[in-house]
Amino acid sequence: DAGITQSPRHKVTETGTPVTLRCHQTENHRYMYWYRQDPGHGLRLIHYSYGVKDTDKGEVSDGYSVSRSKTEDFLLTLESATSSQTSMYFCAISRTSGGAPETQYFGPGTRLLVL
Amino acid sequence: SQQGEEDPQALSIQEGENATMNCSYKTSINNLQWYRQNSGRGLVHLILIRSNEREKHSGRLRVTLDTSKKSSSLLITASRAADTASYFCATDLGGATNKLIFGTGTLLAVQP
Repeated sequence: DAGITQSPRHKVTETGTPVTLRCHQTENHRYMYWYRQDPGHGLRLIHYSYGVKDTDKGEVSDGYSVSRSKTEDFLLTLESATSSQTSMYFCAISRTSGGAPETQYFGPGTRLLVL
Repeated sequence: SQQGEEDPQALSIQEGENATMNCSYKTSINNLQWYRQNSGRGLVHLILIRSNEREKHSGRLRVTLDTSKKSSSLLITASRAADTASYFCATDLGGATNKLIFGTGTLLAVQP
């Protein structure tokens, strides 16, 4: 447990509405990540952050944006939700070894259903 | 495209037996990691093996890495019903950001 919480844990929304998922950590880690998990695809990286206001795109970033105004919070926004964004979303932090990020620790996940 | 592909996709064994899962990847890596996921939960880090290592142990877990074949295996010895979970390999291609590429996982069922 790396002190990671996600909110909400479950969300049902309608197509076209904006949705924001929050990831909160208590251990002051620099690196944070958002993944989505779908059957047959494993986990795929959406966006990641390497510091406050420092973010970059992952493998499946289309339709998603992120913000990190504080070290402890990493927000994932779906500007206009689509049914293809129905998924399980996981946030992760990376603990460093010798100054370099190495192993990741995951939050409990948010299940999002877009109708 | 997936960097890591696990094999088999599903595995069912009896308690006390050993379970072996394999992972193949496509490009050079900095390290390879194995994670476990219980149904509906987040992933939990199990073990990391660096590209210059060939074998690593942690309790009942044994991981091997063959960089010439771009493959890794995870062996769980003397399995227990509590080992029932999905197991994922993840490759770290290096660089400063620890971006991991996950495989699709092996679903392990250990029958009591």
